[in-house]
Amino acid sequence: QKEVEQDPGPLSVPEGAIVSLNCTYSNSAFQYFMWYRQYSRKGPELLMYTYSSGNKEDGRFTAQVDKSSKYISLFIRDSQPSDSATYLCAMTSQGAQKLVFGQGTRLTINP
Amino acid sequence: GAVVSQHPSRVICKSGTSVKIECRSLDFQATTMFWYRQFPKKSLMLMATSNEGSKATYEQGVEKDKFLINHASLTLSTLTVTSAHPEDSSFYICSALRTGRNTEAFFGQGTRLTVV
Repeated sequence: QKEVEQDPGPLSVPEGAIVSLNCTYSNSAFQYFMWYRQYSRKGPELLMYTYSSGNKEDGRFTAQVDKSSKYISLFIRDSQPSDSATYLCAMTSQGAQKLVFGQGTRLTINP
Repeated sequence: GAVVSQHPSRVICKSGTSVKIECRSLDFQATTMFWYRQFPKKSLMLMATSNEGSKATYEQGVEKDKFLINHASLTLSTLTVTSAHPEDSSFYICSALRTGRNTEAFFGQGTRLTVV
């Protein structure tokens, strides 16, 4: 079993839709959770960073963490074609240096 | 967010030659940097962890003599692909760890290496 599982998609939705991206994990030591967005042939860009259960909102993006279920989500409201990218979840534990990544979900927002 | 600069963004080299890729943290000091390789439509594969002033830690299956890593300062790590072969063609990405109250990883723009 992989430490972090993420549905690779691809996921295709119409413009304006609400998008839900999810990751599950098995390591209960993970405390820090990140979502990265990666456009084609570019390095990943940090979108959201959370370290506690609950929701964190930033504009059209909401990151949700449920440590009891070992489940994290990224919601995108009012999705735009420019949101089309691969989204990677990543997580790490206290004192650890390495991030553990999900496989990434390819998202396409259709105009 | 913090800035990590990776150079070059694209490089084409002949088989048998060596290629150096630089990764710089521009607005913070990074004791730890990471080098990843990414195949098309795949996630990031960690190659090695680069620690300033000490030898890099390589992941299993990564040849340390082929992928030379030097982390000579708190803002610069380099990856040298030695005696490059066509199968080394890939997208290489570095990231730098910014520690403090929160630990965050910031990525470079990536380097597209093509070995012909």
